[in-house]
Amino acid sequence: GAVVSQHPSRVICKSGTSVKIECRSLDFQATTMFWYRQFPKQSLMLMATSNEGSKATYEQGVEKDKFLINHASLTLSTLTVTSAHPEDSSFYICSARDSPGLSTDTQYFGPGTRLTVL
Amino acid sequence: QQPVQSPQAVILREGEDAVINCSSSKALYSVHWYRQKHGEAPVFLMILLKGGEQMRHEKISASFNEKKQQSSLYLTASQLSYSGTYFCGTDLGSGNTGKLIFGQGTTLQVKP
Repeated sequence: GAVVSQHPSRVICKSGTSVKIECRSLDFQATTMFWYRQFPKQSLMLMATSNEGSKATYEQGVEKDKFLINHASLTLSTLTVTSAHPEDSSFYICSARDSPGLSTDTQYFGPGTRLTVL
Repeated sequence: QQPVQSPQAVILREGEDAVINCSSSKALYSVHWYRQKHGEAPVFLMILLKGGEQMRHEKISASFNEKKQQSSLYLTASQLSYSGTYFCGTDLGSGNTGKLIFGQGTTLQVKP
């Protein structure tokens, strides 16, 4: 299966600082990547869709000015949590589809980034 | 719009079978099944498509009933490695947008 990586895997920061999380598709090109957030013992919640070469689209209730997404290339998307606060502490996971447009395309998830804001 | 999974939790002995259900209030185009171990990212198991056939991943199979708007995951002769939380995901859009909305998860614990 396709491989998606994330960096860093874990980050601890002070309240008010910004944190950047990278998501890379290692062996395929991804014109679209997705960012999810998962709180402890809860399901994954879609935050936004990252589109290569255009603006990200955000789900209802997700602040686009707080969660900046940049899809710099066909293999890299970044999520920046700006002015992070303790309530932003969560597990952030990205995903990418290996064959968008085909009915059998599969979405592969990165290993996730655990963000802790003190 | 979030699909509903049942049961919420299952405890099995190694070798026993289990069924996890995923129901949606809206028409489904596809259902994606993932397994997540604690602290790790979800791992893809299989995708079921509208009009498609039943899928299988090792001793795990799944069906998709379009009329009932539900999918079921069948775990046969469960192994210790099957332990984890199972999520079904359905497409948020009316087709294959890739935006998945996940059920609340079913925690499966397989004991020796």
